[in-house]
Amino acid sequence: AQSVTQPDIHITVSEGASLELRCNYSYGATPYLFWYVQSPGQGLQLLLKYFSGDTLVQGIKGFEAEFKRSQSSFNLRKPSVHWSDAAEYFCAVGEGAAGNKLTFGGGTRVLVKP
Amino acid sequence: DAGVIQSPRHEVTEMGQEVTLRCKPISGHNSLFWYRQTMMRGLELLIYFNNNVPIDDSGMPEDRFSAKMPNASFSTLKIQPSEPRDSAVYFCASTPAGRTSGANVLTFGAGSRLTVL
Repeated sequence: AQSVTQPDIHITVSEGASLELRCNYSYGATPYLFWYVQSPGQGLQLLLKYFSGDTLVQGIKGFEAEFKRSQSSFNLRKPSVHWSDAAEYFCAVGEGAAGNKLTFGGGTRVLVKP
Repeated sequence: DAGVIQSPRHEVTEMGQEVTLRCKPISGHNSLFWYRQTMMRGLELLIYFNNNVPIDDSGMPEDRFSAKMPNASFSTLKIQPSEPRDSAVYFCASTPAGRTSGANVLTFGAGSRLTVL
């Protein structure tokens, strides 16, 4: 069965600093990979996704992620964090014919210091 | 489009009572998912439907939980009887049909926060 691990439960970063969130997955086939963001009291919003092709994927809000098959990783990055990026971030792997049956990691909560 | 609409947003009930959560997916979306989010277990897939048919309910915790999708625009998740350990945020999400572009991008509702006393 597939699984997703996000090793960091909390990360605190200063506004303007860079951010990297780690994600490792376990899946037998070529994975569909996703990053979602959840603001307090809200549902999840898709940041970006990877299926195939270029291993560096660009998303919304200035985020990018890099797929590394050899490391089974799909880390999320942002060069310069804004206060509005404070939220919880979830990595997910999708299975099924459409890749839409998602298994989520435990999430990483990002706090942004002024 | 109004997005995925869930109701109620908040529900407080007493142990033993029946709880019904409702979801209206995005018009034209053929797949619907119910997730539960708790601090201890994170986001868990409970059940999902394709074209109103339940495909995988292996995540449904026990017989107290049931889900239906009587038509393409409405789904319910029912808990009867409810227990304090059912307290969680329940999310509904939908996607377009399996072979269309974006079929694997889930659009989530805002969630229903359930508290069972």
